[in-house]
Amino acid sequence: DAGITQSPRHKVTETGTPVTLRCHQTENHRYMYWYRQDPGHGLRLIHYSYGVKDTDKGEVSDGYSVSRSKTEDFLLTLESATSSQTSVYFCAISESRDEQFFGPGTRLTVL
Amino acid sequence: KQEVTQIPAALSVPEGENLVLNCSFTDSAIYNLQWFRQDPGKGLTSLLLIQSSQREQTSGRLNASLDKSSGRSTLYIAASQPGDSATYLCAVSTDSWGKLQFGAGTQVVVTP
Repeated sequence: DAGITQSPRHKVTETGTPVTLRCHQTENHRYMYWYRQDPGHGLRLIHYSYGVKDTDKGEVSDGYSVSRSKTEDFLLTLESATSSQTSVYFCAISESRDEQFFGPGTRLTVL
Repeated sequence: KQEVTQIPAALSVPEGENLVLNCSFTDSAIYNLQWFRQDPGKGLTSLLLIQSSQREQTSGRLNASLDKSSGRSTLYIAASQPGDSATYLCAVSTDSWGKLQFGAGTQVVVTP
């Protein structure tokens, strides 16, 4: 298995609070992605990174920001969490923009 | 916009039967197509990656075909086992950044 961890694995928070999810990889892969998975919508791309400090928006980026200060870490921040951001968040990595490997996911509940 | 569809949404087969899972996409200009498996409450496990220039890929009991011109891919799982029960997702990459567009998945149950 690719060396990808996500933290926390579960989180419950309240509307309006900031939340940061972390994705950590030990594979030294250049490309990293954040997806969210929701019933009825499947998996959708939030943001992605193609190198340290190089990031761009995906399909559903509103309300989210990302940062990547080191190759191994990709952070996803919800500046002010809303109930619509209740979801399961997955991080993925890729060495060459081809095969992607996914982390175990973070289940986030916003009350 | 690329649309990825997986039919059927759910499938139940007896053990030993071959599984045939379908994936269709609306824009044939893809870079690659990837099949994943997801167990309940778990992350995605990559099964097969097919490059746009390839027609098929095989790994053990799994075989995936790709017909770009018709916008279709099929995942075959031979001699199904109860351990194959999971949701199977296909995803296409339509640009050089590797961004994936996913189908909704096919939930498979293999009964002993």
